[in-house]
Amino acid sequence: SQQGEEDPQALSIQEGENATMNCSYKTSINNLQWYRQNSGRGLVHLILIRSNEREKHSGRLRVTLDTSKKSSSLLITASRAADTASYFCATDTGTASKLTFGTGTRLQVTL
Amino acid sequence: NAGVTQTPKFQVLKTGQSMTLQCAQDMNHEYMSWYRQDPGMGLRLIHYSVGAGITDQGEVPNGYNVSRSTTEDFPLRLLLAAPSQTSVYFCASSYSAPYNEQFFGPGTRLTVL
Repeated sequence: SQQGEEDPQALSIQEGENATMNCSYKTSINNLQWYRQNSGRGLVHLILIRSNEREKHSGRLRVTLDTSKKSSSLLITASRAADTASYFCATDTGTASKLTFGTGTRLQVTL
Repeated sequence: NAGVTQTPKFQVLKTGQSMTLQCAQDMNHEYMSWYRQDPGMGLRLIHYSVGAGITDQGEVPNGYNVSRSTTEDFPLRLLLAAPSQTSVYFCASSYSAPYNEQFFGPGTRLTVL
């Protein structure tokens, strides 16, 4: 079963706007990661946030983690057409050697 | 470094045929895994390996076999292909456990008729 569920399933914005996508998960986690997948390609790692962290930044990306609500959000600021992709969260529990992915958010950035 | 490579990129099989999807990495990663991606389902873990000689089942292992004789290679075998195995398959690797950044291959698009 999926551990993470992203919301919304699809998001369409204009270039320059901010994009926010959310991930909710079911069980306690050790780390949460975000990945990007361009159409027809493999996934690319964006950022990892540990369970004892609340916020992390990487360039135009900002990730927050609320373990009490079992949720995370990914904010992409000043979006570009090249940000058009699907975004997935992935969690691990720290005990089982498994990474569990959510169903993804499809982001479309138009000019 | 080539990173994670997968072959073939595309494959069409008939029901009942068998084949092996190849995955190799040149980063000396201990952890390797196979996922399948279906529309609306995200990625589901098929099998994984924490090192040479060690494999274990993921979420959807039925119909698939793996082995890990070397650190570099992690082939996925379909023994009796079924239409339900039509999917895009991704191989991934990481330095140690999956708690680290995963490096993904480009994927194999498999169709079973």
